[in-house]
Amino acid sequence: GAGVSQSPSNKVTEKGKDVELRCDPISGHTALYWYRQSLGQGLEFLIYFQGNSAPDKSGLPSDRFSAERTGGSVSTLTIQRTQQEDSAVYLCASSFRTGESPLHFGNGTRLTVT
Amino acid sequence: AQKITQTQPGMFVQEKEAVTLDCTYDTSDQSYGLFWYKQPSSGEMIFLIYQGSYDEQNATEGRYSLNFQKARKSANLVISASQLGDSAMYFCAMREGRIQGAQKLVFGQGTRLTINP
Repeated sequence: GAGVSQSPSNKVTEKGKDVELRCDPISGHTALYWYRQSLGQGLEFLIYFQGNSAPDKSGLPSDRFSAERTGGSVSTLTIQRTQQEDSAVYLCASSFRTGESPLHFGNGTRLTVT
Repeated sequence: AQKITQTQPGMFVQEKEAVTLDCTYDTSDQSYGLFWYKQPSSGEMIFLIYQGSYDEQNATEGRYSLNFQKARKSANLVISASQLGDSAMYFCAMREGRIQGAQKLVFGQGTRLTINP
């Protein structure tokens, strides 16, 4: 399809394990975002990539969270030593450019840390 | 700090009626953007409408319009002639800063809209 693709759709992991979440943005979209949606905190910005510029990591909640974007396309969000409070839906979004271009979201990865 | 307030956790509306979803915001920035997104039960966030802080006219997109009252810092979403498929969570969000900037959106808590047949 032509939309933002995220995998896996669901992930259950044990506390303390590392997880990787993947995002395939819409082809041609230069901006890529990760957001987190949880019951207690609502929707929160995590990190932003724009082209080859250094990512804006200002929303990452701790140094256990990191993300990379290879070749200006696919992005991976990694959470190390997962904690129960990391349980949430992780949403990836992309846009053609910054500013007022609407974000196109994927269906998210539901992460459950037991 | 930015803040978005959606005071209606849930709303129930009869099909074909118009509905207004409230959103107020707080920012000290002169340049900002306001967005509305719809999230059906499938989980996908769907962009509905955008209003820039310097736009003089209210934004419209089909059955959606944004009632932008800058002095009152409100950006209410109006859905005309509601349909059963409009049942979903609706989020108001704000981007603070210049229009070319990143969409580091701050979201409200959402309003769950249910359309009754």
